[in-house]
Amino acid sequence: KQEVTQIPAALSVPEGENLVLNCSFTDSAIYNLQWFRQDPGKGLTSLLLIQSSQREQTSGRLNASLDKSSGRSTLYIAASQPGDSATYLCAVRQRTGNQFYFGTGTSLTVIP
Amino acid sequence: DGGITQSPKYLFRKEGQNVTLSCEQNLNHDAMYWYRQDPGQGLRLIYYSQIVNDFQKGDIAEGYSVSREKKESFPLTVTSAQKNPTAFYLCASSFTNRDNEQFFGPGTRLTVL
Repeated sequence: KQEVTQIPAALSVPEGENLVLNCSFTDSAIYNLQWFRQDPGKGLTSLLLIQSSQREQTSGRLNASLDKSSGRSTLYIAASQPGDSATYLCAVRQRTGNQFYFGTGTSLTVIP
Repeated sequence: DGGITQSPKYLFRKEGQNVTLSCEQNLNHDAMYWYRQDPGQGLRLIYYSQIVNDFQKGDIAEGYSVSREKKESFPLTVTSAQKNPTAFYLCASSFTNRDNEQFFGPGTRLTVL
């Protein structure tokens, strides 16, 4: 069964710093990988979607990479802002069964 | 505006009661999903449906039931058989084309009194 891991579980950085969040998965038979943001008590907001054939995707200050063969993805946030404080989750869409599997998330705090 | 709505936002249940959580989408998505989120844990799949009148169990389906009578709607019933139902419930939808992303509703927080 697919296992998705996110490290670290929590991260605190000063405003303006660049940072990297990590996501690893055990089964490389995926269609795509999606990064989400979740604010406390809210639903998930989609940030970036990377297809299995792609290496990276960019949206504004966010850049996500995918190395399917090694089972890893990173989310790079440039010039962090206090408004970036949230929990970030990654999810893979599995080829077998067409289900999504989620990591437990990284809680990010950006200190003004 | 296109999106996914869930109601109610907060729900309180007495032990032994069944409750139904609503999920509606106007994105014309074929597939709909129900997840449960507990503190410190990732999202766990309860049920999903890829077409009207058909649905499949996820990893934690015991104590839950669903129906998919309309493309836009996928209600979840939490039955009295679910021993620990207090959690945050999230509904999601997507196109069945596997290149497409998943979108989420705002969630329903269920508390058992």
